[in-house]
Amino acid sequence: KAGVTQTPRYLIKTRGQQVTLSCSPISGHRSVSWYQQTPGQGLQFLFEYFSETQRNKGNFPGRFSGRQFSNSRSEMNVSTLELGDSALYLCASSSTSRRESEQYFGPGTRLTVT
Amino acid sequence: DQQVKQNSPSLSVQEGRISILNCDYTNSMFDYFLWYKKYPAEGPTFLISISSIKDKNEDGRFTVFLNKSAKHLSLHIVPSQPGDSAVYFCAASGDGYALNFGKGTSLLVTP
Repeated sequence: KAGVTQTPRYLIKTRGQQVTLSCSPISGHRSVSWYQQTPGQGLQFLFEYFSETQRNKGNFPGRFSGRQFSNSRSEMNVSTLELGDSALYLCASSSTSRRESEQYFGPGTRLTVT
Repeated sequence: DQQVKQNSPSLSVQEGRISILNCDYTNSMFDYFLWYKKYPAEGPTFLISISSIKDKNEDGRFTVFLNKSAKHLSLHIVPSQPGDSAVYFCAASGDGYALNFGKGTSLLVTP
């Protein structure tokens, strides 16, 4: 089985712009979660989608949004970028929305905001 | 507010010895705990988990111990191998889905 893929792998944006990141889960997985990793805060949960519905949400401002398509692929959007949004954004997929389901992570998208 | 803490940013161990990675949590509602391993330029990979109804779970060279009263868990790797060199993340969840991660401990296993 192919693993979780994320595109693009690297991205440089300017403050105030918006960005869209993409995640393709493992085939058959219906749950997709997004995480932000920064040196200061570590890995922080953004949100989780299951069958096109946002099921869980972390403590991030409304500038961070996402969606999931019928084929389980997911996109994450950040509007009005700030310098502090520079981070590694990780996507993870699992077969169910149960927390005991193992999450498989992609390699991440490195976003740099200048 | 960091609810899961890994107070040792790094750890160096000789090959063949035991590696002990520690993790503390503050939220008493957490009842499911996991360890992930991360190599550079890769996403984290699941290593081992433990539910709060247990105090120990073993998988090959990896054992996780949970001390609920102390809100502490540890990951033991025996024997340590150079390929174990990576960043290890502790994570915890309560009745929700979200995983709360620590900031990670970088393990270096030297030959």
